[in-house]
Amino acid sequence: AQTVTQSQPEMSVQEAETVTLSCTYDTSENNYYLFWYKQPPSRQMILVIRQEAYKQQNATENRFSVNFQKAAKSFSLKISDSQLGDTAMYFCAFRASGAGSYQLTFGKGTKLSVIP
Amino acid sequence: EADIYQTPRYLVIGTGKKITLECSQTMGHDKMYWYQQDPGMELHLIHYSYGVNSTEKGDLSSESTVSRIRTEHFPLTLESARPSHTSQYLCASRPGAGGYTFGSGTRLTVV
Repeated sequence: AQTVTQSQPEMSVQEAETVTLSCTYDTSENNYYLFWYKQPPSRQMILVIRQEAYKQQNATENRFSVNFQKAAKSFSLKISDSQLGDTAMYFCAFRASGAGSYQLTFGKGTKLSVIP
Repeated sequence: EADIYQTPRYLVIGTGKKITLECSQTMGHDKMYWYQQDPGMELHLIHYSYGVNSTEKGDLSSESTVSRIRTEHFPLTLESARPSHTSQYLCASRPGAGGYTFGSGTRLTVV
């Protein structure tokens, strides 16, 4: 079974600053996907960024980038130039890529507040 | 704009009532999922489907049931609601190897 751990229940950052959210996971799988999802207050959960485990290059989406350390089973999210609209719960998630891999396993989430 | 729709958005209902939470997607995805999320907590899978007439229970035990008669529709039913069912229910879908798309959720309160 897979587990995903987010050790920071809450974080805050000043607008325009950079913040890093931590995520570690445990798995015996070799091929898998990792995700960061954003869930704004009372709004839909949306995909922020995705990483395939076989790719060594860290994924980047505009102001969002990850630091994927496969050996350490670490998958942190860096948000640059933080904006007020980044205020949300952020969930790290794991999904194995083999046959029968049917679900995302989520961490408990990190509540991020961007302060004006 | 979401391509996966959940209704109702909010529901307050009395104990013992039967309720159905609706989930529809217009993307033609075969795989659909129901997650339960308590406030400020992680999501737990309660049901999933790989296609029409395919339904399975997830890791979190749930008294709800689901059906998948059409690709685009994946409703969740509680035959007799109880206060312990109070939670947020999130529906999601995905194509074969892609990422998940989530609905806006149904926040259920059973009084």
